[in-house]
Parts: sequence; C-alpha cells; structure tokens
Amino acid sequence: GEDVEQSLFLSVREGDSSVINCTYTDSSSTYLYWYKQEPGAGLQLLTYIFSNMDMKQDQRLTVLLNKKDKHLSLRIADTQTGDSAIYFCAEMQDTGANNLFFGTGTRLTVIP
Amino acid sequence: GAVVSQHPSWVICKSGTSVKIECRSLDFQATTMFWYRQFPKQSLMLMATSNEGSKATYEQGVEKDKFLINHASLTLSTLTVTSAHPEDSSFYICSAREQKWPTGELFFGEGSRLTVL
Repeated sequence: GEDVEQSLFLSVREGDSSVINCTYTDSSSTYLYWYKQEPGAGLQLLTYIFSNMDMKQDQRLTVLLNKKDKHLSLRIADTQTGDSAIYFCAEMQDTGANNLFFGTGTRLTVIP
Repeated sequence: GAVVSQHPSWVICKSGTSVKIECRSLDFQATTMFWYRQFPKQSLMLMATSNEGSKATYEQGVEKDKFLINHASLTLSTLTVTSAHPEDSSFYICSAREQKWPTGELFFGEGSRLTVL
C-alpha cells in the first residue's frame, strides 16, 4: 500500500530557513503536494510539483523532488512565526481516482 | 481561488444521535468529493470518495452504515454519522476537485469538529 512518511516535529528560529522532508514509496506518483494546516483549520494548498520536475520555486517556498530516492522536501526561506503550523505532504497516484495519500504531518514551530 | 465550505464547524451531540455534516463547493462544480477523518495530532485518513449521482466508494475499514454519504448535486455532499458514539469524535474534513483542473488539485473545507458525549 501507499506509505508517505515525514518527521513529526521541526523547530527553527525566526528568520532561518526551514526544511521539511517527506519520503514516499509508490513510484507511480504523478503529482506531489504540500499542504499547511493551522490549528483547528482545514488544509491550505501551498504548492505542488509534477513528478517529472525536480524543483519548483514559489516566493519563499522551494520544493525539491528526488524521484530516484522518492524524497520530497519543502524549504521555507526566512521563516516567520506565522509559518508555525502542521505541514503535510501528499501524493496523487496515476490510478484514475485522483485522491490523495497524506503523510503523517510535520509540526513546525517557529521560535521568535 | 476555489472555495469549499463545511457546515457545521463545531457540533456536540449525545451518544446515539445522528449528525449531518455538509460540504459545499461554492464557486465550482465538483463531480468528486472526498471525506477525511483526522484524529488529534495525526494525519488525514481518507474515509470515502463521493461521486455525484452514484454511491460512495468507501475505504477499507470504514463502516458504510455508520458513515452515510450522499452526493446529490454537483456542489453538495453530506456525511451523516449515524448513532454516534464517543469514539466517533473527530475532525472531519471534506475536499472537492474542480472539474477543469488537470492537476487534480483538491480544495479543502475548513473541517467539522464532532464531539460525542
């Protein structure tokens, strides 16, 4: 079955860069996503990358994909206190159903 | 961007009663909606895929008779937790896929927190 893993916690100081890592097992993944969940709220799509890309940059966010190692990372530059949240990576497989399989989530804490 | 609305945001009910949660796509048509359940400090677990005009497809281990899903229109799906018990207390999140998006991007509702006493 699908297996998407993330480390559970990450703490960084305000202004530093944060790197959140994700590994997945299914090689048929087509799109990979990063979502942000603030306390008590739903999910907000941050960015996504197609599986034939290896990097995507969007303002403070940089996504790196190593398809050979099935490793995805999200780098947040100049991390702010408002970035404190849980970050989920998710993969969509080429099965036609188009549902997402989520990682366990990484709780990012930004220290002022 | 596309908006998905869930109602209610919070609901507290007595054990044995049924609770209905609505998921609406406000500015787009969604042929497919998904229902997730999130336990405290855990990831999202896909419960079922809701297709407009047809029966929902449930994930393994999810009780169909317990969690009734109806997708009567292109903008509305409902999840009814029947005869709720304390173990059903959870955060329920729906998502909807916009038809025109080739990427399969899903838009998520704000979630509904159910507490069963």
